[in-house]
Amino acid sequence: GENVEQHPSTLSVQEGDSAVIKCTYSDSASNYFPWYKQELGKGPQLIIDIRSNVGEKKDQRIAVTLNKTAKHFSLHITETQPEDSAVYFCAASIRGADGLTFGKGTHLIIQP
Amino acid sequence: ETGVTQSPTHLIKTRGQQVTLRCSSQSGHNTVSWYQQALGQGPQFIFQYYREEENGRGNFPPRFSGLQFPNYSSELNVNALELDDSALYLCASSLEANRGRNGYTFGSGTRLTVV
Repeated sequence: GENVEQHPSTLSVQEGDSAVIKCTYSDSASNYFPWYKQELGKGPQLIIDIRSNVGEKKDQRIAVTLNKTAKHFSLHITETQPEDSAVYFCAASIRGADGLTFGKGTHLIIQP
Repeated sequence: ETGVTQSPTHLIKTRGQQVTLRCSSQSGHNTVSWYQQALGQGPQFIFQYYREEENGRGNFPPRFSGLQFPNYSSELNVNALELDDSALYLCASSLEANRGRNGYTFGSGTRLTVV
C-alpha cells in the first residue's frame, strides 16, 4: 500500500519568515495530495490540495508544489503569523474509497 | 452549512467492552470515512461508507465495524476493546460524486481511552 513520509517532525521559524514542509510518497498511482492543519483539540482542517495533473497551486500565503517524477510534494507558507502554529499533515490518495494515507505530521512553531 | 459533528467527545471504556461512536456528516455530503489517530501520529484510514455500504477498508481487524444510515450519518463500532484502541477517532465526510477528491471535512473527533 501507499506510504507517506513527512519532514521535518518539528519546525520553528521566526514570525514573518517562510516555512517549508516536505513529503514523499511511494505509490506512483496516487493522484490527490491534500494538506491539513490540526490545532489542539480539533480535527484536521483542509488548507490546500493538489491533483497529479497540476505542478503547483497557490492560495494567498500558502502554496503546494508537486513533483510526480520524484514522488514528492511540499507545502510553502510565506509571511508566517502566530496563528499558523499547529500540526500540519500531508496525505496522498489513489481513489476516494481507499481513504487518505497521512504522513506523521509536522509541528510548526512560529516564534514571535 | 453545518460541519461534521461527532459524539461523544470523550469516552472511557474497560478492556473487552464494546463501544459505539457516532457521526453526522456535513450537509450535502453522502460519504463518510472513519480514521484512528494515535497520540503524535497521523490519522489512519479505517473504512469508508457510501450508500449505506462499506466500499473501502484500511488495515483494521473485523472487530471494527460500521453503519451508515439513509440520512448519511454513521456509527463506528469496536468490539472486544484493547488498550491499543485508545486514540482519537475522526469522522470525515465528502461528496462521492467527486470521488472524495474535493476534500474531506473532518469532525473534531471522539477521544477514546481504554483502561
